[in-house]
Amino acid sequence: SQQGEEDPQALSIQEGENATMNCSYKTSINNLQWYRQNSGRGLVHLILIRSNEREKHSGRLRVTLDTSKKSSSLLITASRAADTASYFCATDAGGAQKLVFGQGTRLTINP
Amino acid sequence: SQTIHQWPATLVQPVGSPLSLECTVEGTSNPNLYWYRQAAGRGLQLLFYSVGIGQISSEVPQNLSASRPQDRQFILSSKKLLLSDSGFYLCAWGDSRNSPLHFGNGTRLTVT
Repeated sequence: SQQGEEDPQALSIQEGENATMNCSYKTSINNLQWYRQNSGRGLVHLILIRSNEREKHSGRLRVTLDTSKKSSSLLITASRAADTASYFCATDAGGAQKLVFGQGTRLTINP
Repeated sequence: SQTIHQWPATLVQPVGSPLSLECTVEGTSNPNLYWYRQAAGRGLQLLFYSVGIGQISSEVPQNLSASRPQDRQFILSSKKLLLSDSGFYLCAWGDSRNSPLHFGNGTRLTVT
């Protein structure tokens, strides 16, 4: 079963605007990760946030984690056309690094 | 540096034919290895994972099997493909808890 659920399913914004994607999950986790996928390609890891962390930054990316609400958000600031891709959250809830992925948010940045 | 190779990139196979997809990792030892499947416009479904040679765990009952004959080689197989086996298959490796997975470029399988 899918643990993470992203919201919205699709998002279209103008270049330069900020993009926010949300992820909700159901069980306790060790960490939550965000990945990016360009069309027809493999996934690329963006950022990992551990269960005892509340916020993490990487360049134009900002991730928050609220374990009490079982939710996370990914903020991309000053979006660029090259940010157009699908974004997935994934939760690691057990051993062997088994990640459970959500359905993804399809982000389109309009020039 | 570590790299992951997955082939072929695309594959068209008739129903009832066998399947073998191969994934190899370079630059690391004793990685955790994973096979995921992605339906069109959907998220990833974990099919198999392996924490060592000959150690395979299946997540979903299905028409597929996996094997790990060498430390850095992971193979996805089927004896007889079904139409429902069509999809985008992704191999990934990881090395420890609280670290990311690294994905190959995927194989798009179409069963006709």
